[in-house]
Parts: sequence; structure tokens; C-alpha cells
Amino acid sequence: DTGVSQDPRHKITKRGQNVTFRCDPISEHNRLYWYRQTLGQGPEFLTYFQNEAQLEKSRLLSDRFSAERPKGSFSTLEIQRTEQGDSAMYLCASSQDRRETQYFGPGTRLLVL
Amino acid sequence: AQSVAQPEDQVNVAEGNPLTVKCTYSVSGNPYLFWYVQYPNRGLQFLLKYITGDNLVKGSYGFEAEFNKSQTSFHLKKPSALVSDSALYFCAVRDGPGGSYIPTFGRGTSLIVHP
Repeated sequence: DTGVSQDPRHKITKRGQNVTFRCDPISEHNRLYWYRQTLGQGPEFLTYFQNEAQLEKSRLLSDRFSAERPKGSFSTLEIQRTEQGDSAMYLCASSQDRRETQYFGPGTRLLVL
Repeated sequence: AQSVAQPEDQVNVAEGNPLTVKCTYSVSGNPYLFWYVQYPNRGLQFLLKYITGDNLVKGSYGFEAEFNKSQTSFHLKKPSALVSDSALYFCAVRDGPGGSYIPTFGRGTSLIVHP
């Protein structure tokens, strides 16, 4: 499979716990994006990387959120001290460069109890 | 600032009939426009895009979209709907050259195709 993959697909956690999600982009894509999608809304941009550099962060990305892309390959998104408002689908996308179409992974659905 | 509006939360159409899902946009420069489809509990799948050139863009699964600069619209169309087309459709826009290249998505339109 040459598409974008995300792990886990589902995560249930208790308020206050930390969670980490992983995204593996399409192999030749150097741009990687994270989005959050809540019910009834379209994806909202969180952050993106060009290779290993994090180039832009949305104001939605509070200081409890951190993202990394070591070596410009896979990326992780960590949420510390989760809150019920963090419950959402977290989507990862990749593109070959900034002009190209973004291709999305299946998402990680997070439920914070 | 860029924005996109999908004025219909839901579109209902009978199988075999033509369908239209509406999208209007606002950008400061030349728009790059996209349509994606999302099936339940899945990520978004790319359908088609407009960057430049012909105003009528053809995409996957028989879908097409028409770019109308004067009306700032990019409506998604299909001549004959299938039950399997039932899904959530998202329009997205971003500024072209010189812009941020981060797309803004609409809220989505639920397409229901009745047998």
C-alpha cells in the first residue's frame, strides 16, 4: 500500500492522560500536514512539515500539542494532559511539494473520557 | 484571508439523476480549488482540483466541477448519481502562487442518493 497510513485508528483515553499518534506519509512526499476534524466540520489545519522542519503552526495548536518529524519520514503528534475538547478525528496528509495535492490518511479518532 | 462556503448541509438525489453539490469561495489571489469525498470513519479521498486552464475539470468516479470566476463558485457535478456516491463531500480552497498553500475546507455536504 503506497498511501498515507496512521496509527492507531482509534484511541480512548481518560482526561489528563497523554496520547501519541503516528503518521507515515507517501514515501516520496516531503510535506506532511496534521489536521483536526470535529463532527459536522471540515478538517482544520494544525501544523505542517517540510522534510524535518516544522514550518507553520495554527493557533489551534495549544502548548499541550507537539509534533515531530524526525529525519523527514514519519511524524508523531502528541497531546499532553488531554481534555474532553480534544476529542476529534486527527488527520494526516502528505504532498510532494507545496503545489501538489494533499493525500489524506484514514485518521485517528480520539475520544477523551 | 481565504474562506469557502458549502451552503447545503445535505443534498438528496435519486439514483440515475444528475447531482450538484455547491461551493463558493473567497481568496485574495488566484484560487486553487479542490473537492474531496469522505466515507464514514475514513479519511478524505481526493476527487479533483482546479489550478488553471479549462474551467470544467474532470475527476475520479465520473465527477466533474466547473470553475466560475465571476460567481466565485466551484460546484461539483455528476451526470448520473449512484447509491455508492452517498458520502460527505468537502470543498477546499487555497491561495495560488505567493499564498500560504494551506487549504481551508468547507463544512461539508452530505450527499444521499436514494435507490
